[in-house]
Amino acid sequence: GAVVSQHPSWVICKSGTSVKIECRSLDFQATTMFWYRQFPKQSLMLMATSNEGSKATYEQGVEKDKFLINHASLTLSTLTVTSAHPEDSSFYICSARAHGNTYEQYFGPGTRLTVT
Amino acid sequence: GQQLNQSPQSMFIQEGEDVSMNCTSSSIFNTWLWYKQDPGEGPVLLIALYKAGELTSNGRLTAQFGITRKDSFLNISASIPSDVGIYFCAGQLETGANNLFFGTGTRLTVIP
Repeated sequence: GAVVSQHPSWVICKSGTSVKIECRSLDFQATTMFWYRQFPKQSLMLMATSNEGSKATYEQGVEKDKFLINHASLTLSTLTVTSAHPEDSSFYICSARAHGNTYEQYFGPGTRLTVT
Repeated sequence: GQQLNQSPQSMFIQEGEDVSMNCTSSSIFNTWLWYKQDPGEGPVLLIALYKAGELTSNGRLTAQFGITRKDSFLNISASIPSDVGIYFCAGQLETGANNLFFGTGTRLTVIP
């Protein structure tokens, strides 16, 4: 149980284009999903928290117009990196927290984005 | 954001040895979680701790929630090659914020 998937697992795009990453909870309903960014050999950095049916809450320093988050259902959240630049290249990981569960987060396998 | 300090940063051990790592903070946490991350993968939850002083095991792994609620440790007994990876602690603040703060990670290498 508590399986989270991400798609795509890796993507290469050109500067200026937009990329959408999907995060799905496969066997549970997730009222809250989180998006993290991880640079090589570093820890996870929380970008934003999304609650189903409401606007995402972004961490300080994260541009909400650049990283668009949509949590349209209890099993799907999407992160769109708009007008991507090479510095946006990173490992993006989502996590989901089950409805009624306050603490435990289950992570997806991550998406490696490379912007050329 | 909150800073969780993990130590050691990296460890090289022989197969069969026991491992101990810890995580400390200047703030009080009401939940401690331990995750393992393999290269190119997302973190996998190993153990969750909810009460000060709680000691919880998951196979060869044992973790404890410190009495002060500002620290936690993870032990791995009789290490095996597949224990290789990066171990992260994560905590949720007492103040009720619903997001986790992650430690800096401990990179474990097991030498067969």
